[in-house]
This record gives sequence, structure tokens and C-alpha cells, in this order.
Amino acid sequence: EVQLVESGGGLIQPGGSLRLSCTAPGFSVNSYYISWVRQAPGKGLEWVSVIYSGDSTYYADSVKGRFTISRDISKHTVYLQMNRLRAEDTAVYYCGGHPNRVGTFAYWGQGTLVTVSS
Amino acid sequence: DIQMTQSPSSLSASVGDRVTITCQASQDIRSYLNWYQQKPGKAPNLLIYDASKLETGVPSRFSGSGSGTDFTFTIRSLQPEDIATYYCQQFDNLPLTFGGGTRVEMK
Repeated sequence: EVQLVESGGGLIQPGGSLRLSCTAPGFSVNSYYISWVRQAPGKGLEWVSVIYSGDSTYYADSVKGRFTISRDISKHTVYLQMNRLRAEDTAVYYCGGHPNRVGTFAYWGQGTLVTVSS
Repeated sequence: DIQMTQSPSSLSASVGDRVTITCQASQDIRSYLNWYQQKPGKAPNLLIYDASKLETGVPSRFSGSGSGTDFTFTIRSLQPEDIATYYCQQFDNLPLTFGGGTRVEMK
């Protein structure tokens, strides 16, 4: 069974940067559609970004131009580089994915909390 | 963007009750709809994909139906472990969008 493990969250000041990692030990992240989905405290789920197996990337309008999704196949890891962070980016960030269904999340990580505050 | 309107936002039911949640898309999404269950402090869990297909390992008391713009999720006989928040999600178009969630509580 695929396990996804997120890391990299923490407390960051507005305007700062943070890089989240989503690691799938033993699995090729190149073979999976991996997305980042976030959940603000007490709120619902919001899709953030996806990377396709062909390296195409897409973003929600709320993060476009500030966040970048990428992957390192050798490290079995997908990254989310988050720049110019805002208070409204405060959320638990999950990575989720599926081997052959673009918009379906059969596998999820445990989530990592990002808090943007001064 | 496709808006997903889920209702009700919360409900209270007893063990053994039939529970129904609806999800309406702002435009035709064919059958590109998933349903997830989320318990507090946990990641969501996929229950139904392609509007009506039961994910492997999910109890058969969960079911989904619908196509186009109107979808229904049903728990045939509510169990204590089903207390959670449920979300619909469309994947017909980017950006992927979720419904607002339905919190299911025990009466």
C-alpha cells in the first residue's frame, strides 16, 4: 500500500517562504498524479496544486505565482515551494494522489500544519 | 470554476438510520465525482469514486448515485463509526473543487 508522508510545515511570518515535502517511500512519484490539498482551521478542503506524470503543473488561482509544485523522482518526493506567504495560507496541507486517476485521492499523507503569523 | 453545493451542512441521526447527502454542481460534470469521509484530525478517506463506484475496502452500506449536476450519497444504516464530515469533489475540470462538507452527528 502506498504511504505518503508530508513534512516541512511550521510557523512562518507573512511574506516568508516554506517548502513542503511529500515522500512516497518505495514508490515512483512519477507514476502518480499527486496534488496538494489544504484545510484551514475549522474549514473545508481546498485543492491547491497538481503535478502530472508528464511534469505538467496546475494551481489554484489563490496560490498561482506564489507556489510551485515539483518532484524529485530519485527521492520519491513531491515538493510545494510556498513563497510570499499570507495569513490566509494558514492550513493543514495534505498531499494526495492516485496512480491513474487525475483528480481522485485514494492515498493521503497525514498532513502538515503551516501557520503564517507574525 | 465549478461550484459544488452540498446539503445539508450538518445532520443528526440515530444508529440504523438512513442518511442522505446531496451535492449539486454548477455545471455538468458527467460522473466525475468523488465522496470522502473525514474524521477529526485525520486525512480524508475516499469512499466513492466516479459518482457510484465503491472504493475497495469500503463497507457496502455506503453508496452514491447521480450524474450531470445532481448527486446523492447514502449511508444505508448509520453506524457509530460513521460519525464524520463528508465531502463531495468534482474532477471534471481544474481547479478541482470540493463541496462545503456535511457533518454527520449521532442523535
